[in-house]
Amino acid sequence: DAKTTQPNSMESNEEEPVHLPCNHSTISGTDYIHWYRQLPSQGPEYVIHGLTSNVNNRMASLAIAEDRKSSTLILHRATLRDAAVYYCILRDMEYGNKLVFGAGTILRVKS
Amino acid sequence: EAGVAQSPRYKIIEKRQSVAFWCNPISGHATLYWYQQILGQGPKLLIQFQNNGVVDDSQLPKDRFSAERLKGVDSTLKIQPAKLEDSAVYLCASGREDSYEQYFGPGTRLTVT
Repeated sequence: DAKTTQPNSMESNEEEPVHLPCNHSTISGTDYIHWYRQLPSQGPEYVIHGLTSNVNNRMASLAIAEDRKSSTLILHRATLRDAAVYYCILRDMEYGNKLVFGAGTILRVKS
Repeated sequence: EAGVAQSPRYKIIEKRQSVAFWCNPISGHATLYWYQQILGQGPKLLIQFQNNGVVDDSQLPKDRFSAERLKGVDSTLKIQPAKLEDSAVYLCASGREDSYEQYFGPGTRLTVT
């Protein structure tokens, strides 16, 4: 399984943008980049995913480097409810929907 | 739509006892997953079902763990006998057959003493 590297933790101020980085230098051409987050005492929830182009949805934006060896999840205005563990995951489309989670980044949001 | 349901939410047992967890996926979802999440770690896939067939159980400790999905809907995960290192949150997730997105339940927190 291709691996990702994320910082253990990050801190942000409420109402400010947050950029969560992810390195995936061994990514293959058939790997999608997925982001999930896990709020306290809940199961993970899907945030966003992409292959090559930048992606936007109502929750966040995903910026993917041109060489695809890194990506950044962008929360445009952090709220206290965004405090969670954020997981960057590579999903090989040749192996269906299997997700391999790492330890993720703990995001703390200060008011 | 109703989310993934799991029960019980919490369970405390002694080592060598048996325990079972139940999961009811979102209606119409063909794929069902069981994950184990140890404190401080990301979830680890134990088993994946497609309808009532097993797709991947490569990380399921088959000497003590078993899972079934009768009729392709509800699923149960059993541990027999439990060890101290089985203390974790057990998460169930489901997904549509043609979709990458997984929907997770709230999990069952197991403590083995």
